[in-house]
Amino acid sequence: NAGVTQTPKFRVLKTGQSMTLLCAQDMNHEYMYWYRQDPGMGLRLIHYSVGEGTTAKGEVPDGYNVSRLKKQNFLLGLESAAPSQTSVYFCASSYSRKLAGTHYEQYFGPGTRLTVT
Amino acid sequence: RKEVEQDPGPFNVPEGATVAFNCTYSNSASQSFFWYRQDCRKEPKLLMSVYSSGNEDGRFTAQLNRASQYISLLIRDSKLSDSATYLCVVNRSNYQLIWGAGTKLIIKP
Repeated sequence: NAGVTQTPKFRVLKTGQSMTLLCAQDMNHEYMYWYRQDPGMGLRLIHYSVGEGTTAKGEVPDGYNVSRLKKQNFLLGLESAAPSQTSVYFCASSYSRKLAGTHYEQYFGPGTRLTVT
Repeated sequence: RKEVEQDPGPFNVPEGATVAFNCTYSNSASQSFFWYRQDCRKEPKLLMSVYSSGNEDGRFTAQLNRASQYISLLIRDSKLSDSATYLCVVNRSNYQLIWGAGTKLIIKP
């Protein structure tokens, strides 16, 4: 049981380049999330998905796109990278909630450290 | 005002001491509350959920005060291995959690 995995672990991009970050989970979770973490700030939600084929915007979606074609995978794309996107990116997954307002534990991948020069 | 606020620390505490963290949140409609732990350059991991009645897990005790909109975490008999950043987390909506920036704890031998 690998849990949540992310590839790549590190990446350096030049401004304007594109890339895709891959997240995979083997826990059969319905919900998946992409966050970014910057120094002095809490995790900020970029996009999330509540099931295969669905995606929704989080707090900071601009400059990113996502796709969830398979339940176990959640892809995050940067079409034209900018220095402001230098960050650590975490993917997480969780079970779907049973009651409105409730949340289950989120399980995180090890993160991708992205630098845009 | 941030939706979730924590003292960034660091808290430098001798081994064996008791340490307490507070966290305030602004959304009175929030229903889910958590403490996560994050080690340096690692991913966050759930430490404990916080329930209305308060809850305890070994050396860790979490309390929720809805009237004042704050959450606390108490660590008793602190160990060197408790050194980490502690993240306060509150739900904003059915699908979104709001994460505090974290309080860094350093336990000294």
